[in-house]
Amino acid sequence: DAKTTQPNSMESNEEEPVHLPCNHSTISGTDYIHWYRQLPSQGPEYVIHGLTSNVNNRMASLAIAEDRKSSTLILHRATLRDAAVYYCIPLFNYGQNFVFGPGTRLSVLP
Amino acid sequence: DSGVTQTPKHLITATGQRVTLRCSPRSGDLSVYWYQQSLDQGLQFLIHYYNGEERAKGNILERFSAQQFPDLHSELNLSSLELGDSALYFCASSVTQGWGDEKLFFGSGTQLSVL
Repeated sequence: DAKTTQPNSMESNEEEPVHLPCNHSTISGTDYIHWYRQLPSQGPEYVIHGLTSNVNNRMASLAIAEDRKSSTLILHRATLRDAAVYYCIPLFNYGQNFVFGPGTRLSVLP
Repeated sequence: DSGVTQTPKHLITATGQRVTLRCSPRSGDLSVYWYQQSLDQGLQFLIHYYNGEERAKGNILERFSAQQFPDLHSELNLSSLELGDSALYFCASSVTQGWGDEKLFFGSGTQLSVL
């Protein structure tokens, strides 16, 4: 499994953009890069995923480095509801024995 | 609301007992996954079922077992419970076999407390 490195915590002001980095230097060529988040007292929630190209959806944007060894999740305007733990997960199949890892705890200040 | 339903939300039991956790996947999803989340271990994959068949196993203890029924709901059975089994147990579902271009949808979890 690809190993990931994410900051333990980050802080943002409300309505400002947030860039959450992830290093996955051992990623396989067939691994998709997924981001999930977990709000307090809830199950993880899908945010976005991609393989090689940058991706956008209604929640966020995903910027993938050309060598795929790192990626950045971009929240364009952070809201208080975005305060959560964000997990970066390179994977080929969800049946792999992977751990979500500690992720990045994002705090959003009003 | 993810569409994945887990029951019960909370379960308190004693050491040595047996419990069953239930999961109903999103309508149309064929795969069900079980995860365990404890404070010191993060979110760990336990087992994956696809259309009634076991597809992959993670670090699931021999005291734990699971199955997926013809109506696609799944049950996780935990027996001879120990204090260390206290954790949040999540179920997730996906449309097909869980390939990397799919999304997982998680339930809200069952909080198991073993006293």
